[in-house]
Amino acid sequence: GQNIDQPTEMTATEGAIVQINCTYQTSGFNGLFWYQQHAGEAPTFLSYNVLDGLEEKGRFSSFLSRSKGYSYLLLKELQMKDSASYLCAVRGYNQGGKLIFGQGTELSVKP
Amino acid sequence: GAVVSQHPSWVICKSGTSVKIECRSLDFQATTMFWYRQFPKQSLMLMATSNEGSKATYEQGVEKDKFLINHASLTLSTLTVTSAHPEDSSFYICSARDREERGGIETQYFGPGTRLLVL
Repeated sequence: GQNIDQPTEMTATEGAIVQINCTYQTSGFNGLFWYQQHAGEAPTFLSYNVLDGLEEKGRFSSFLSRSKGYSYLLLKELQMKDSASYLCAVRGYNQGGKLIFGQGTELSVKP
Repeated sequence: GAVVSQHPSWVICKSGTSVKIECRSLDFQATTMFWYRQFPKQSLMLMATSNEGSKATYEQGVEKDKFLINHASLTLSTLTVTSAHPEDSSFYICSARDREERGGIETQYFGPGTRLLVL
């Protein structure tokens, strides 16, 4: 089976750094994605990892450890507009690109 | 960048009626489109995978006779919620996979979603 776990909600302060963790158990692995979703809107792509290590993209970084089934999304210099839900999604192997999403982490950024 | 549209953006209907939602890839051809459903404060749940010219593959627990999917061309897939009931009220989101994978790693482009309310 497949299981993806994320914390349900987190709170952080404007200007700070926050790390959102994701653990997964899947029958096959072909990449892990992070998406940002504001309330009532569609998800937008943030990052992708398929090999172990850290991928940096401006204020956002994502890390993957395949042996541990673990990823995190790191957000630096938090801004109020970063308040959103962050979704971890895993792509299986030979499944036509299908993504399985975690339940999402609701991040609240406070002044 | 790749754009996916959905129509309508929101719909209110009476219980027992059928509702059709369209998903279009505007500037690329999509061999595969995915349909998701999202309830408030929950994540996206994949309902089905739609491939152009063939029958959709439904996820476990999703009734294929209730959620009819048609992928008639490389730029259009439709989801019809038949005999809708209040429990079908949800946010329906489609995504499309670029046939040429020009997006590289980003395999899916999401539409803006359709909010369905069944009275």
